[in-house]
Amino acid sequence: DQQVKQNSPSLSVQEGRISILNCDYTNSMFDYFLWYKKYPAEGPTFLISISSIKDKNEDGRFTVFLNKSAKHLSLHIVPSQPGDSAVYFCAASAGAQKLVFGQGTRLTINP
Amino acid sequence: NAGVTQTPKFRILKIGQSMTLQCTQDMNHNYMYWYRQDPGMGLKLIYYSVGAGITDKGEVPNGYNVSRSTTEDFPLRLELAAPSQTSVYFCASSTLPSDEQYFGPGTRLTVT
Repeated sequence: DQQVKQNSPSLSVQEGRISILNCDYTNSMFDYFLWYKKYPAEGPTFLISISSIKDKNEDGRFTVFLNKSAKHLSLHIVPSQPGDSAVYFCAASAGAQKLVFGQGTRLTINP
Repeated sequence: NAGVTQTPKFRILKIGQSMTLQCTQDMNHNYMYWYRQDPGMGLKLIYYSVGAGITDKGEVPNGYNVSRSTTEDFPLRLELAAPSQTSVYFCASSTLPSDEQYFGPGTRLTVT
């Protein structure tokens, strides 16, 4: 049972445009959500997070939006840069439970 | 501050061989995890530990064993390697299970 789903395995975006990565979840008890970024031959690194008491969190070019009623999370990157090309994982946790990861979306930024 | 380190970076094993993947963290985290990532797939939890001496199974524990004798180290043991264990293995640690996890650089294992 995949509790956290990233339905787009890949996404291609022009440099300078907005990248939108999506994540859906099924467990209504999830109350903390994170995005990780992974470059080839490296481990995932934390990018940005959001608690369920918020619906938006910004950090520079990265903004995460949470729609609890739709059980949907999205990551916006504006403007997209070539260095943003990576695999992005969303993850969620419920209370003190372990993180549950999505399958990842490979983002390619084209010059 | 090294964070999470893993050795080796790469390894090729023959079917039936065994090996230990090493993981060390210097952040004094209680929680440590082993994941595998198959090509085009997400992270699958193999085993995790909530502190020295305490380990538990994740989603895909078969064919693996772990131990946690110290806070810093969390080795993953593969006994009787099989081609299905060809994957990239990541170790991670965190303060709490729901917190941000810090990942090591990974070990790429091929079993032929």
